[in-house]
This record gives sequence, C-alpha cells and structure tokens, in this order.
Amino acid sequence: QQQVKQSPQSLIVQKGGISIINCAYENTAFDYFPWYQQFPGKGPALLIAIRPDVSEKKEGRFTISFNKSAKQFSLHIMDSQPGDSATYFCAASNQGGKLIFGQGTELSVKP
Amino acid sequence: GAGVSQSPSNKVTEKGKDVELRCDPISGHTALYWYRQSLGQGLEFLIYFQGNSAPDKSGLPSDRFSAERTGGSVSTLTIQRTQQEDSAVYLCASSLEPGGLYGNTIYFGEGSWLTVV
Repeated sequence: QQQVKQSPQSLIVQKGGISIINCAYENTAFDYFPWYQQFPGKGPALLIAIRPDVSEKKEGRFTISFNKSAKQFSLHIMDSQPGDSATYFCAASNQGGKLIFGQGTELSVKP
Repeated sequence: GAGVSQSPSNKVTEKGKDVELRCDPISGHTALYWYRQSLGQGLEFLIYFQGNSAPDKSGLPSDRFSAERTGGSVSTLTIQRTQQEDSAVYLCASSLEPGGLYGNTIYFGEGSWLTVV
C-alpha cells in the first residue's frame, strides 16, 4: 500500500517533443505528490508538486496531471530540451510524513 | 550555508568497519530525512526526524543502521560492521515543519557516496 510505481524506466525524446512520465499509487491517504529532478552527482531537487484537490498544475513547460479516481498522476514536459536530460522521480506522502518515491525515469532528450 | 550540507562527500571503507555520515540541515528546518540511493535505483527511505517527536525508524534495513539528531539540528547516520551491499549514496534532506504539509518543500543535499570494499 505504500508503494509508488513509476514508468517508463527510461525515455528518449527528440528536442521539442513532449516527455510523459507516469506514476500510480495505492494509498488513498496520500495528500502530496511532488516530482523531483536529479542530475548525475547531485541530490534530487523539487520540480513541481500537486495536491489531490486539483486535477492539473502547470509551471512553465512542466505540468502535473492528477487523476484521483484512478490513483494516477503524470508529469508532462512540453518542448523538451537537452538540458532536461536527467532522472525524474515521482513521490507521495501523507500528512507531512516521509516521501515514498517511485523508481525513477531516466530521460534523454536528443538534439 | 544555504543548502543541506553532507559530509564526507565520498567515503571508501573496508568491509566490517563502522562509518559515520553527517548531515547539516538548512537552518530552522525541523524535519530531517535520510534516504539511500543504490546505483540506478530509486530513493529508499531510512529514517525521519520531526522536531521533538520520536523518529520514524521504519526504513532502517537492519540493526547495523542507526541515526541520531542532536539539538534538533545536525544528524549523524551510523552504519556498523559495513557490508558490500551497504555501498550506495546516502542522501539527507530537510524541510520547514513536516515536508509536504502546507506546501513545505523537502530539500536534499548532494549525498555521501559510500563504497564498501
């Protein structure tokens, strides 16, 4: 019940394309869903986050879509750039507790 | 400093030795987390400190692992009798009050890379 499942494991996108990463969760008590971006040799950094009372949140080229009934959420990166090449992690938590992370998606944006 | 600071950044140790990893959270942050990231893997939760509450130790993989937080600030993760499977990046994170609650961001350090030979 505490798991967060993320797919795909790796993703190759052409520059200018749309990158889509999906996550699914089981625990309906989760109330905070962040996405983190991690570059090699660095710690993860918060990219964007959403709460279950909204279905979509957009910040620049990054959008989270949230489907509460399906217990799924996804990250969309519009106009993907080579600088977006990194590993992306979805996560979830309940009432400010520990973050449970997905297994990560290694994104490569080809010029 | 402005961010979460971890030391050492790299540590090579012999199997069976004890190691200590240190974390300095962002000043004023009451919540502190330790995670482990094995090569090419996700982030595995280890332990969570929040203010004066009892820590959530539910992620510690064995009794060889322990952590403490002194004075509500600096934290030390100790691994006793290290094994090769302990080789990983150990990440510390902190947040103002519980992370995620009221939109508080959880900030990560750059990690301590541990190699057990």
